[in-house]
Amino acid sequence: AQTVTQSQPEMSVQEAETVTLSCTYDTSESDYYLFWYKQPPSRQMILVIRQEAYKQQNATENRFSVNFQKAAKSFSLKISDSQLGDAAMYFCAYRSAHGGSQGNLIFGKGTKLSVKP
Amino acid sequence: NAGVTQTPKFQVLKTGQSMTLQCAQDMNHEYMSWYRQDPGMGLRLIHYSVGAGITDQGEVPNGYNVSRSTTEDFPLRLLSAAPSQTSVYFCASIATGTGGEDQYFGAGTRLSVL
Repeated sequence: AQTVTQSQPEMSVQEAETVTLSCTYDTSESDYYLFWYKQPPSRQMILVIRQEAYKQQNATENRFSVNFQKAAKSFSLKISDSQLGDAAMYFCAYRSAHGGSQGNLIFGKGTKLSVKP
Repeated sequence: NAGVTQTPKFQVLKTGQSMTLQCAQDMNHEYMSWYRQDPGMGLRLIHYSVGAGITDQGEVPNGYNVSRSTTEDFPLRLLSAAPSQTSVYFCASIATGTGGEDQYFGAGTRLSVL
């Protein structure tokens, strides 16, 4: 079974600085998707960035980028120029690309990010 | 507007009461699922459905019942609520077979069982 591990329960960053959130996963599959979700106090799950495992190029979305190391099964999220609005819980998630359960998302336990003004 | 509609947003139950959490999507997605979120645990899969008439259990199915009579709706039933079911519940709808970008969550239901 696949697992997702986020080893940092809490992180803090100064406004305008850069922070990296860690995520590792375990799977025997070769084709899958990885995601970072942001959950602000409103509880809404907001997709920040996604990565397809077959793509070697790291995904980027404006100030958000990932470092995807497939062999090491690592998927970290880098937030550049941190803003107060980035403060939230961040979840790393895994999803198989094939099979009957390919819609199932497996989540890490989350990292709570604080941004200091 | 396209998306996942989840109701109610808040609910308080007494132990032993029953209720249904509603989830509807208008994107014609075949795959729908229910998750619960507990402090320090992330989101865990309760039940999922790959199409009308087909449901299956996830990681934490005990105490919950689901059915999928239409593509649009996927209700979650608590037959006899227990305090351990106090949680935040999310419904998700996903277009499988795409590049992973077509997945949506409802706004969540905060449930308290006294």
